[in-house]
Amino acid sequence: TQLLEQSPQFLSIQEGENLTVYCNSSSVFSSLQWYRQEPGEGPVLLVTVVTGGEVKKLKRLTFQFGDARKDSSLHITAAQPGDTGLYLCAGGSGAGSYQLTFGKGTKLSVIP
Amino acid sequence: EAQVTQNPRYLITVTGKKLTVTCSQNMNHEYMSWYRQDPGLGLRQIYYSMNVEVTDKGDVPEGYKVSRKEKRNFPLILESPSPNQTSLYFCASAPGTANYGYTFGSGTRLTVV
Repeated sequence: TQLLEQSPQFLSIQEGENLTVYCNSSSVFSSLQWYRQEPGEGPVLLVTVVTGGEVKKLKRLTFQFGDARKDSSLHITAAQPGDTGLYLCAGGSGAGSYQLTFGKGTKLSVIP
Repeated sequence: EAQVTQNPRYLITVTGKKLTVTCSQNMNHEYMSWYRQDPGLGLRQIYYSMNVEVTDKGDVPEGYKVSRKEKRNFPLILESPSPNQTSLYFCASAPGTANYGYTFGSGTRLTVV
């Protein structure tokens, strides 16, 4: 069974601070995705990374896929209250596979 | 607008009273799936479907049924709901493979008393 461990579970920071959340596994994934979920809503896809070592930027968010495709990180620069939410990582297990393995998430609160 | 639509958003029901949560997607996606989300347990997959008339169990299928008679619809059926099925439910869909990412519905908050 593939598992994705996310850390930290909870993170509370002041507006303007930087932060990094991590997603780790002992398994290799064909792709790694990050979602953000706001309270009472469904997760929304932020990014997909598919190549080991790949880095993608989405405004103030930087996503990295580990060289061995077993881990990923999400870095937020100058966090804003609108970044508050649950961040989920999810791994795809192989080409042609429909299934994703989800981590339990990092709950981020950005205090104004 | 491309979306996954779930209904109802909120539902309170009594133990044993059959209910159906509907899910419809307008993106012609082959893959659809149901999840439940509980505090501390994350998203857990209930059932999934890779195409019309093709369904399979996820991690927590007990007490649930699904059907996929049309590509766009994937209803979740609770034949005899129990309080331990109180949860937040999400339907999701994806094209081709999971590498493209899932589109989730807005969720159904179910309370069984």
